[in-house]
Amino acid sequence: DSGVTQTPKHLITATGQRVTLRCSPRSGDLSVYWYQQSLDQGLQFLIQYYNGEERAKGNILERFSAQQFPDLHSELNLSSLELGDSALYFCASSVEGSYGYTFGSGTRLTVV
Amino acid sequence: AQKVTQAQTEISVVEKEDVTLDCVYETRDTTYYLFWYKQPPSGELVFLIRRNSFDEQNEISGRYSWNFQKSTSSFNFTITASQVVDSAVYFCALETDSNYQLIWGAGTKLIIKP
Repeated sequence: DSGVTQTPKHLITATGQRVTLRCSPRSGDLSVYWYQQSLDQGLQFLIQYYNGEERAKGNILERFSAQQFPDLHSELNLSSLELGDSALYFCASSVEGSYGYTFGSGTRLTVV
Repeated sequence: AQKVTQAQTEISVVEKEDVTLDCVYETRDTTYYLFWYKQPPSGELVFLIRRNSFDEQNEISGRYSWNFQKSTSSFNFTITASQVVDSAVYFCALETDSNYQLIWGAGTKLIIKP
């Protein structure tokens, strides 16, 4: 157990739907990062939150949004889902950036 | 531009052979961090090593060793006496002080045959 908890582990949904992925960071970590791993794009950074505030944005689609709550857990919302959104979504947490990242086990999203 | 290149898409060796996974990175930043992660078939990302740009010492951890060479912008990973359990996809990643996110290589799939 890495200490980063992601739920659900698997999600199957239809095109056009909306889903929410949840991440609880390791105790004491203030930063949460979301990454997407797809077959065609590989691992890509989506977005980072630090202590509730958005800190950095990567290749995140406008249909996707995220937030970090006062208890530091984070949610990634994916809407108007398309087949191409099928991927493994990872959450990672860290105390502060480059001191190292701890990854959750991921949420595998399948859009049918 | 910041980029990580893992030119080897797939490597297959027989158990007990040594194997080296290559990683070449690009960045103009003087302060940066290099990482290796392992992704076994179960899918999770397992942290292996983090190295900052000011520390060029090679590192050894059991059967694993890493060779960091700034002159060639490379951070190669060697597994000595490979085992079937080493079979996984291995990712090299880069983070810089100007860009607090991991930039990933495409990964190298390592197959260790018994």
